[in-house]
Amino acid sequence: QKEVEQNSGPLSVPEGAIASLNCTYSDRGSQSFFWYRQYSGKSPELIMFIYSNGDKEDGRFTAQLNKASQYVSLLIRDSQPSDSATYLCAVNPSGNTGKLIFGQGTTLQVKP
Amino acid sequence: DGGITQSPKYLFRKEGQNVTLSCEQNLNHDAMYWYRQDPGQGLRLIYYSQIVNDFQKGDIAEGYSVSREKKESFPLTVTSAQKNPTAFYLCASKDNRDNGYTFGSGTRLTVV
Repeated sequence: QKEVEQNSGPLSVPEGAIASLNCTYSDRGSQSFFWYRQYSGKSPELIMFIYSNGDKEDGRFTAQLNKASQYVSLLIRDSQPSDSATYLCAVNPSGNTGKLIFGQGTTLQVKP
Repeated sequence: DGGITQSPKYLFRKEGQNVTLSCEQNLNHDAMYWYRQDPGQGLRLIYYSQIVNDFQKGDIAEGYSVSREKKESFPLTVTSAQKNPTAFYLCASKDNRDNGYTFGSGTRLTVV
């Protein structure tokens, strides 16, 4: 069974701090990796995707991928209360079926 | 504007009743997906379709049925065989690039 694991949290950080969200996956042949943000009662919204080892930056968000360790993370710099949400990690596994496998999500709380 | 429309937003089902959730997209995406989300859990795949007139079971297809007669439409029927249907249902679509899903706004189904 191909799995994606996240710490459910909640992860609490003060406003202005860096929030670090982590995700591990079991399928070593996984091709691509996605971070979705989901506000309570709403549908997920894609915020970052990464395909290659290393870092990818977009504004206050940085995705980090280490395929050897089967680990992907999301850093949020200068965290704002509006960043408070559940962050879902999703993986496109080997086989290129297009079916994403989701982790259970990490709840982030940014306190003013 | 292009997007995915799910309806209704809220749906109440009586015991033993079949209900159909609508999902329509005007993004010209080939692939469409249905996921179920339970409180505190990630998304679990119910059914998916990569092309018109073809669909495959996901991880939790029992008690559900779908059709894909048009590229734009992928309705999900929750049958009376689904014993625990109360959940948040999400429809998604993607094009043939590996850049993640676009989600609809979701349907919250409750058994009364």
